[in-house]
Amino acid sequence: EAGVTQFPSHSVIEKGQTVTLRCDPISGHDNLYWYRRVMGKEIKFLLHFVKESKQDESGMPNNRFLAERTGGTYSTLKVQPAELEDSGVYFCASSQEGLGPEYFGAGTRLSVL
Amino acid sequence: AQKVTQAQTEISVVEKEDVTLDCVYETRDTTYYLFWYKQPPSGELVFLIRRNSFDEQNEISGRYSWNFQKSTSSFNFTITASQVVDSAVYFCALSEGAGGGNKLTFGTGTQLKVEL
Repeated sequence: EAGVTQFPSHSVIEKGQTVTLRCDPISGHDNLYWYRRVMGKEIKFLLHFVKESKQDESGMPNNRFLAERTGGTYSTLKVQPAELEDSGVYFCASSQEGLGPEYFGAGTRLSVL
Repeated sequence: AQKVTQAQTEISVVEKEDVTLDCVYETRDTTYYLFWYKQPPSGELVFLIRRNSFDEQNEISGRYSWNFQKSTSSFNFTITASQVVDSAVYFCALSEGAGGGNKLTFGTGTQLKVEL
């Protein structure tokens, strides 16, 4: 069974550009989470989907970040426009039960120059 | 506000030694969940355990064991007879409230190096 897949694994963009990260959860998992770790800081919660609905988006830092999960399958996280402080590793996770993230992807390393 | 402290930034042990990773948490809620994850060099976080605040029983899974002490707000993780494959960063995390543990607060992680 395939695990949580994130694409791309690494993205390098310039300040002001737009980047879209994609996450494919484990098939059948209704719960999908986005977390991120910016340089030198803790891993922080961004948001939680249940199917296509945003259950909790209290961790989204500002309106430059937009997450979607159309159809309740894969999810995208768009950053527009990207700022230097957005650099870090963005993790996606999924789980069948809504008891916390169980399966994480390897993350997307975002570098904003 | 909730907080998780992993005071050990890096630990180095020789294979077959036992090692304990410390985790101290702060929360005002009576209902909360505690987690441990392992991050090997490949980058993904691997779920190890989830424990709710009402279950203080210690847990053992093979060479892994967890000691939950509400009196000291600690949820420590012990690896018995460590192996090189245990080398990784280990994260402790906390989620408050009865929601089940979806919004986690992570500690800064402990890098464990197991050498031959």
